[in-house]
Amino acid sequence: EDQVTQSPEALRLQEGESSSLNCSYTVSGLRGLFWYRQDPGKGPEFLFTLYSAGEEKEKERLKATLTKKESFLHITAPKPEDSATYLCAVPEGGSEKLVFGKGTKLTVNP
Amino acid sequence: ETGVTQSPTHLIKTRGQQVTLRCSSQSGHNTVSWYQQALGQGPQFIFQYYREEENGRGNFPPRFSGLQFPNYSSELNVNALELDDSALYLCASSSTAGGFGNTIYFGEGSWLTVV
Repeated sequence: EDQVTQSPEALRLQEGESSSLNCSYTVSGLRGLFWYRQDPGKGPEFLFTLYSAGEEKEKERLKATLTKKESFLHITAPKPEDSATYLCAVPEGGSEKLVFGKGTKLTVNP
Repeated sequence: ETGVTQSPTHLIKTRGQQVTLRCSSQSGHNTVSWYQQALGQGPQFIFQYYREEENGRGNFPPRFSGLQFPNYSSELNVNALELDDSALYLCASSSTAGGFGNTIYFGEGSWLTVV
């Protein structure tokens, strides 16, 4: 069964303190890995899709990378507005069903 | 703004009642999926509809059912509500025209509380 594990569960940073979130996955024939941001009480907001090992994508202070077993979401010089839960997900099998991790709750203190 | 709209945003139901949640997918998207997200958990796949046909189902009982209409909007129906059904219900739409790996966009969700 496809599994997605995210770590840490929660992360507190000071404004400007860079760090990384991890997403490890077990899936045969990876067809993409998705990163989403979710604010409290809201739906997930799409950030990135990565398709192959070695691929990197950037958006403002966020950079996502992918290896054969895991993905990292690097946050450079975070600001309080980056506080949210970050979810990663992979498509299962031959469908568009997404299997999600439990997320990492990021808090950035001013 | 994803173009995926859900209604209602919040509702409270009594155990044993039935509920219908609605979703309007993004323009041009013919695939709609429904997810359940309990507090502190990642979204869990309920089922997917593609061109009005169910196209995959997660580990949810038959009292969870759905429909997709010719305009690709969708409904999620839950019968005989249980307390554990309290969750955020998310609708997601995508287009399969581009093949695998299509971006999947989520709505803001419907908060269901069962008392």
